[in-house]
Amino acid sequence: EAGVAQSPRYKIIEKRQSVAFWCNPISGHATLYWYQQILGQGPKLLIQFQNNGVVDDSQLPKDRFSAERLKGVDSTLKIQPAKLEDSAVYLCASSLEARGNTIYFGEGSWLTVV
Amino acid sequence: TQLLEQSPQFLSIQEGENLTVYCNSSSVFSSLQWYRQEPGEGPVLLVTVVTGGEVKKLKRLTFQFGDARKDSSLHITAAQPGDTGLYLCAGYMTTDSWGKLQFGAGTQVVVTP
Repeated sequence: EAGVAQSPRYKIIEKRQSVAFWCNPISGHATLYWYQQILGQGPKLLIQFQNNGVVDDSQLPKDRFSAERLKGVDSTLKIQPAKLEDSAVYLCASSLEARGNTIYFGEGSWLTVV
Repeated sequence: TQLLEQSPQFLSIQEGENLTVYCNSSSVFSSLQWYRQEPGEGPVLLVTVVTGGEVKKLKRLTFQFGDARKDSSLHITAAQPGDTGLYLCAGYMTTDSWGKLQFGAGTQVVVTP
């Protein structure tokens, strides 16, 4: 079974530029998550989708971050404009349903903002 | 501020030694999970504990959930270099209906041959 796919794996951009990350969850998984993991910290949930609806985006910096999950499958996370403190690994994950099911993580997209 | 506090932050031991890492909170969790994350990869689930006082064993790893469901520990017996990684605890709060998984900052474990 294919895992959670993410791209690109690595991205270096200058501050104030924009960047987009793509995620393809495991087939059939209704719940999709985007986490931000800053070096030395645990993952922090940015946004959680149930099918194509948002169920939690309380920690998403909405002035610069946006995410969508059209058709309830693939998802895109965008940052515009990027700040130095956005340098982190952006992890996409998916699970069958929201609560109590195993969450499977992708390898992450590494962002460096210079 | 992390809802789940993990200690120690870093642990370096020799192969064959035992180690314990801790995960503590002032909040009650309906379940707690432990993950291991290796460099360049996403976290991988090791175990889920649900019942207060529950103990689960996975080969040389022993996981315990506190009676009050506010804390957990992971004990590794006779550690091997393959146990090297970032160990993360994560939990679902009892008050969260949508399943928002809260992570601790992790304990970096290094096992040297």
